[in-house]
Amino acid sequence: EAQVTQNPRYLITVTGKKLTVTCSQNMNHEYMSWYRQDPGLGLRQIYYSMNVEVTDKGDVPEGYKVSRKEKRNFPLILESPSPNQTSLYFCASSPLGGKGEQFFGPGTRLTVL
Amino acid sequence: RKEVEQDPGPFNVPEGATVAFNCTYSNSASQSFFWYRQDCRKEPKLLMSVYSSGNEDGRFTAQLNRASQYISLLIRDSKLSDSATYLCVVTERAGSYQLTFGKGTKLSVIP
Repeated sequence: EAQVTQNPRYLITVTGKKLTVTCSQNMNHEYMSWYRQDPGLGLRQIYYSMNVEVTDKGDVPEGYKVSRKEKRNFPLILESPSPNQTSLYFCASSPLGGKGEQFFGPGTRLTVL
Repeated sequence: RKEVEQDPGPFNVPEGATVAFNCTYSNSASQSFFWYRQDCRKEPKLLMSVYSSGNEDGRFTAQLNRASQYISLLIRDSKLSDSATYLCVVTERAGSYQLTFGKGTKLSVIP
């Protein structure tokens, strides 16, 4: 089944404790992206990647890192999480050459205390 | 700043009703347009792309007016299962994969 998976789905952590949210897609998509969704603010892009070893900042990159060492994986790293990073996070992927429609993972609900 | 504006709703409509959502976008360079559906606390899923000539998929009809930078979604014969938030989404420019999302319009279809 073609899909984007994220782990963990739910995470409660404390300020300053480094964490990684994994994202993996099995559709051989070149483009991958991370979003956060907050009430009243909609979906905002954190980082994106056009292909292996190619990443770039989105609209709200502060406090996040990403890497793209393999085509299928695009982990999101929070080196020192803070309470304002409490949010619902989505990973998405898209094939290059398509119309731009993106396929989303199921989401990771992160709470930073 | 590039923006996509939607009426947040909620739209509360009875089963069988016809409901229309509107969306305006500020970036005249936007080239691709979509409607996504998002159920509560779930991931957004593509409902339909929007083409310049307008397009229909069953009970759903999407329209694009480039001159007015306006997109619409019409849902006919609403079902309870149509209850969701509908997101208007545009790309930044031709060939771009960067999406700008509206904040969504919430629809509740009531029996």
